[in-house]
Amino acid sequence: NAGVTQTPKFRVLKTGQSMTLLCAQDMNHEYMYWYRQDPGMGLRLIHYSVGEGTTAKGEVPDGYNVSRLKKQNFLLGLESAAPSQTSVYFCASVGQGSSPLHFGNGTRLTVT
Amino acid sequence: GQQVMQIPQYQHVQEGEDFTTYCNSSTTLSNIQWYKQRPGGHPVFLIQLVKSGEVKKQKRLTFQFGEAKKNSSLHITATQTTDVGTYFCAGSGTYKYIFGTGTRLKVLA
Repeated sequence: NAGVTQTPKFRVLKTGQSMTLLCAQDMNHEYMYWYRQDPGMGLRLIHYSVGEGTTAKGEVPDGYNVSRLKKQNFLLGLESAAPSQTSVYFCASVGQGSSPLHFGNGTRLTVT
Repeated sequence: GQQVMQIPQYQHVQEGEDFTTYCNSSTTLSNIQWYKQRPGGHPVFLIQLVKSGEVKKQKRLTFQFGEAKKNSSLHITATQTTDVGTYFCAGSGTYKYIFGTGTRLKVLA
């Protein structure tokens, strides 16, 4: 049982480049989330989804877009990467609201 | 919007000493969860508190939820090197989870 899988694990981008981070879960979870983690700032919610075909903005959505075309997948896109987007990105999922979150292993992104 | 703060940001303790981290929310929480993140790892769920004034224990870890449901604490008795990591609280509503800023614990052997 893989749980929550994030790809890629590491990525280096130049300013202005674009990329997509993929999150896949095999637990049939309804809710999925993207967080970024920066030193001293904890985990900040970027976007989330409460079901297939739905997305919503979190605390820090600017510069990111998301899509949830299939229930098991939640994609995070950066259209024009900026150095301020250098961070560790975590995807998480949960079956029911207020239940414990299951996290992926993270993607370490560096934008130069 | 809702904010969840944790103190301290960092804590260094000698092995065997106790450790406490505090979590404070700007709004009343329906419940609170605690997670542990080992260095280089991802957050892993520890426990959830739901009731006002609730206290739960897991071996050397004691979790409390405040009477007003706006604050919580995690206390570790007699820390061990395996306790190293960052501890996060998270306030959860119907489907939104807002994490605290985390407390990074280092245990010196």
